Amino acid sequence: GQNIDQPTEMTATEGAIVQINCTYQTSGFNGLFWYQQHAGEAPTFLSYNVLDGLEEKGRFSSFLSRSKGYSYLLLKELQMKDSASYLCAAYDSNYQLIWGAGTKLIIKP
Amino acid sequence: IAGITQAPTSQILAAGRRMTLRCTQDMRHNAMYWYRQDLGLGLRLIHYSNTAGTTGKGEVPDGYSVSRANTDDFPLTLASAVPSQTSVYFCASSARDSQDTGELFFGEGSRLTVL
Repeated sequence: GQNIDQPTEMTATEGAIVQINCTYQTSGFNGLFWYQQHAGEAPTFLSYNVLDGLEEKGRFSSFLSRSKGYSYLLLKELQMKDSASYLCAAYDSNYQLIWGAGTKLIIKP
Repeated sequence: IAGITQAPTSQILAAGRRMTLRCTQDMRHNAMYWYRQDLGLGLRLIHYSNTAGTTGKGEVPDGYSVSRANTDDFPLTLASAVPSQTSVYFCASSARDSQDTGELFFGEGSRLTVL
């Protein structure tokens, strides 16, 4: 079956760096997304990776290794507003999105 | 402001009642989706539409129906609501063309409680 695994919850300190991992098993692969979702709000797009490597976008970076079925989201210089759930999702061969359950990130002062 | 609008934002419904959640987008996106989100579970696809006039079943379609009469509107209907349909429902859209990553744009969600 198709599956996305990511940690349920992580805690980090304001100003620090945190890495949220995601592993995927899909029938074919056509790219991987990261979305941010604040409590009670809609998910919003953070990044998309389809080729191996690191994509940097300000304080956020996303990495993909297709051979390992692995991605991570790296958040630098953490701010309190980064407290949210981070959702990993992968396109399978039919461009159907498979979603992980999300990682709740708690930022402490 | 371009975007995707859902209504109602919140609703309490008696079991057995019929309910339609409305979704409208003004981005001229081809594809639209309905998801439900429950605590501890990932977003689960209910129904989707790749283009106006066509619809398809997602992962959890039972008890739900959709229509796509035009590009902008994609209503979700619960014919006879049951308590297990208590959830937060998100409508989303994407351009889904060769120039686009397929990024999804989400509505603000509809919180439905079935008693």
